[in-house]
Amino acid sequence: KLLESGGGLVQPGGSLRLACAVSGFTFSSYAMTWVRQAPGKGLEWVSGINDSGGYTYYADSVKGRFTISRDNSKNTVYLQMNSLRAEDTAIYFCARVSSRNFERGWFDSWGQGTLVTVSS
Amino acid sequence: DIQMTQSPSSVSAAVGDSVTITCRASQGRTSWVAWYQQKPGKAPKLLIYAASNLESGVPSRFSGSGAGTDFTLTISSLQPEDFATYYCQQAKSFPLTFGQGTRLEIK
Repeated sequence: KLLESGGGLVQPGGSLRLACAVSGFTFSSYAMTWVRQAPGKGLEWVSGINDSGGYTYYADSVKGRFTISRDNSKNTVYLQMNSLRAEDTAIYFCARVSSRNFERGWFDSWGQGTLVTVSS
Repeated sequence: DIQMTQSPSSVSAAVGDSVTITCRASQGRTSWVAWYQQKPGKAPKLLIYAASNLESGVPSRFSGSGAGTDFTLTISSLQPEDFATYYCQQAKSFPLTFGQGTRLEIK
């Protein structure tokens, strides 16, 4: 089970930190990822992190503004979002990757998502 | 970046019909393609991975094929619960990318 939290309304230029708490599998054995979906739009991959947290990956649209991290002692993955823009408005899903470091980079378990709205 | 182009963007079909959705990668040769189903207000669900492997628990009426740059998802004998939006995704290289989606509607 994956449960996202931390979404909400934020002004342009503001920050939010999303969290995804995991249960039911060995968290430290899997890479994790964030995928977002703007209202009425398709899926957009945002960021990923390997099992140990030593490797991180980002979409160009968020590079330099978002930071992914994980705490394997807390079975939680985070997405720190800074300098938020209106175009970051979306439902943010966390998902489990089918491997330790994206060798098999598909997503076999998903949370229900948390809505981030960037608006003044 | 690898662009994934899905077609059609929408399709209408009846219960019992068979439907095929295609996805074309803009570059590279890979079998690292996955397919997902998403219903309104729900998270996506993995159906097919590595182009042709059925995820555990997914009905056998779903099948995937292809290699290189062209991939297909086929749903045979459509059931009422299959009407949803379908996405392909390439897992060959970063940034990981999705197709734009195909909406499957009831005729």
